[in-house]
Amino acid sequence: SQQGEEDPQALSIQEGENATMNCSYKTSINNLQWYRQNSGRGLVHLILIRSNEREKHSGRLRVTLDTSKKSSSLLITASRAADTASYFCATDPITQGGSEKLVFGKGMKLTVNP
Amino acid sequence: DGGITQSPKYLFRKEGQNVTLSCEQNLNHDAMYWYRQDPGQGLRLIYYSQIVNDFQKGDIAEGYSVSREKKESFPLTVTSAQKNPTAFYLCASSNRGAYNEQFFGPGTRLTVL
Repeated sequence: SQQGEEDPQALSIQEGENATMNCSYKTSINNLQWYRQNSGRGLVHLILIRSNEREKHSGRLRVTLDTSKKSSSLLITASRAADTASYFCATDPITQGGSEKLVFGKGMKLTVNP
Repeated sequence: DGGITQSPKYLFRKEGQNVTLSCEQNLNHDAMYWYRQDPGQGLRLIYYSQIVNDFQKGDIAEGYSVSREKKESFPLTVTSAQKNPTAFYLCASSNRGAYNEQFFGPGTRLTVL
């Protein structure tokens, strides 16, 4: 079942600009994670934010989490052509028994033009 | 190098044949997962295993089977019962208790001829 929904589904920007992606989800979560996928490759973990955190930074990445609105945003600052990829949010939902499954969104394709 | 490997990278199958996709990890992770990805789509969970000799169905388990006889290995068999098996298959692993951060293999692209 899909929980995360990324918005927009596609974004095209120029190198040096900032890129913002949003993710909405439906149920209570332990944490929310963002992953990146280059074309034809596996996913790579970017950043994780726990449910009791509101903002987190890692290099050029900034992620925010609003649990009251069940939404998150990922900001990539000073984008580079190498940031061109698909980005997925994944939620770790709170469940009885604590099963360790992530629920992935459909992804958002970012194109950074040189 | 620690990591997760999948083989083969590309796989072609005739209709009616079973095929097995390999997934191996040397990260000493307890949990392993199989996902299916269709073009322009997100990941859908096929099966997952939290411990050796145990596994659970995901959202789209029909037509697939798995085994978990060793901690480092989690092969996926795509059976002839899977109606539309052409897809990109991703294997992942995670360390229990580590916020469920998942590490992914490079994927296997399966094409049914």
